[in-house]
Amino acid sequence: DAKTTQPNSMESNEEEPVHLPCNHSTISGTDYIHWYRQLPSQGPEYVIHGLTSNVNNRMASLAIAEDRKSSTLILHRATLRDAAVYYCILFNSGAGSYQLTFGKGTKLSVIP
Amino acid sequence: ETGVTQSPTHLIKTRGQQVTLRCSSQSGHNTVSWYQQALGQGPQFIFQYYREEENGRGNFPPRFSGLQFPNYSSELNVNALELDDSALYLCASSPVVGANGYTFGSGTRLTVV
Repeated sequence: DAKTTQPNSMESNEEEPVHLPCNHSTISGTDYIHWYRQLPSQGPEYVIHGLTSNVNNRMASLAIAEDRKSSTLILHRATLRDAAVYYCILFNSGAGSYQLTFGKGTKLSVIP
Repeated sequence: ETGVTQSPTHLIKTRGQQVTLRCSSQSGHNTVSWYQQALGQGPQFIFQYYREEENGRGNFPPRFSGLQFPNYSSELNVNALELDDSALYLCASSPVVGANGYTFGSGTRLTVV
């Protein structure tokens, strides 16, 4: 399985932007980059995904490096409700493997 | 109906017993996956069902089995429970095979004593 590397933890002040990095140097051409987050006592929540181009949705933005070996999840204005563990995952359903391979993720703390 | 609902929310079983965990997905979600999450770890893939057939399995022994029903509900069965099976069990569903993201339930917390 293709692997991702994320910092164990990050801190952000409330209402400031947060940039969560992810390295995936062994990504293949058909791997999608997915981000999920898990709030305390809840199941993971889908945030965003992309293949090559940057993506925006109501929750976040995803910036993908030109060589696709790294990506950054951007929360434009952190709120206390964004405090969670964020997982960067490579997903390739075309490879016959349908699993999301979660690492330990980045624990984001938001300071009021 | 929206979202994924899991039951029960908490469960305590004795080593050696069998357990059935249940999941109800959104209408139209033909794909359901089950994950095990130990404390402090990320979720680990157990298996996935698509239209009532298993089409992917992680590194879990055969005593972990599942069923998916036409009404978008599913079950995870675990036989011969071991202490290490204590974990949060998560169900996730998708209309197709996860390319556009899975919707997860809040999980069932299983404790084996």
